[in-house]
Amino acid sequence: GENVEQHPSTLSVQEGDSAVIKCTYSDSASNYFPWYKQELGKRPQLIIDIRSNVGEKKDQRIAVTLNKTAKHFSLHITETQPEDSAVYFCAASPSLTSGTYKYIFGTGTRLKVLA
Amino acid sequence: NAGVTQTPKFRVLKTGQSMTLLCAQDMNHEYMYWYRQDPGMGLRLIHYSVGEGTTAKGEVPDGYNVSRLKKQNFLLGLESAAPSQTSVYFCASSTDRVPYFGPGTRLTVT
Repeated sequence: GENVEQHPSTLSVQEGDSAVIKCTYSDSASNYFPWYKQELGKRPQLIIDIRSNVGEKKDQRIAVTLNKTAKHFSLHITETQPEDSAVYFCAASPSLTSGTYKYIFGTGTRLKVLA
Repeated sequence: NAGVTQTPKFRVLKTGQSMTLLCAQDMNHEYMYWYRQDPGMGLRLIHYSVGEGTTAKGEVPDGYNVSRLKKQNFLLGLESAAPSQTSVYFCASSTDRVPYFGPGTRLTVT
């Protein structure tokens, strides 16, 4: 079945440094890739997404890149701040032609920004 | 707009007991999902629905049943709870793309 692998599982960076989280997906027909941030005890919340017809998308300090050939996509956070500390999840949505919107999530990355 | 709400927020069950988790959304979304979240395993899809009256199995459906009798509600049932079902359960809903998550239900089975 569909699978999304996410690395690393934990990541510690100094405040002001950059953080990169990588995901690989198995279904080559996947065409939509959202990223979620989950703070402790809270619900996952969408922070950025990318569609398969776009190679990169940026929103202030966060950016996502997509390599469809290699079937991987990455989240980049620049100038990290303590409030960026959270668990981040990637997800992939299988093909629209399947008639469903079934999201498969990665296992999460716990990011810790050290002050 | 309340968005996506879940009832209850916390529950403790004994092995073998049954319960129903309720998810409600007021955004007129067609698609609804139930996920469970366990440490180190991310969010795993239990069941989902693409419209009123329809349901489908996700990655980990065993031990759970669902119903979508009304568009705004998606119920998750545990007929005979097991300790392996101790988890945080998240409901989500979506239109064409982005799932919006509810606040979660923390379930402990002893």
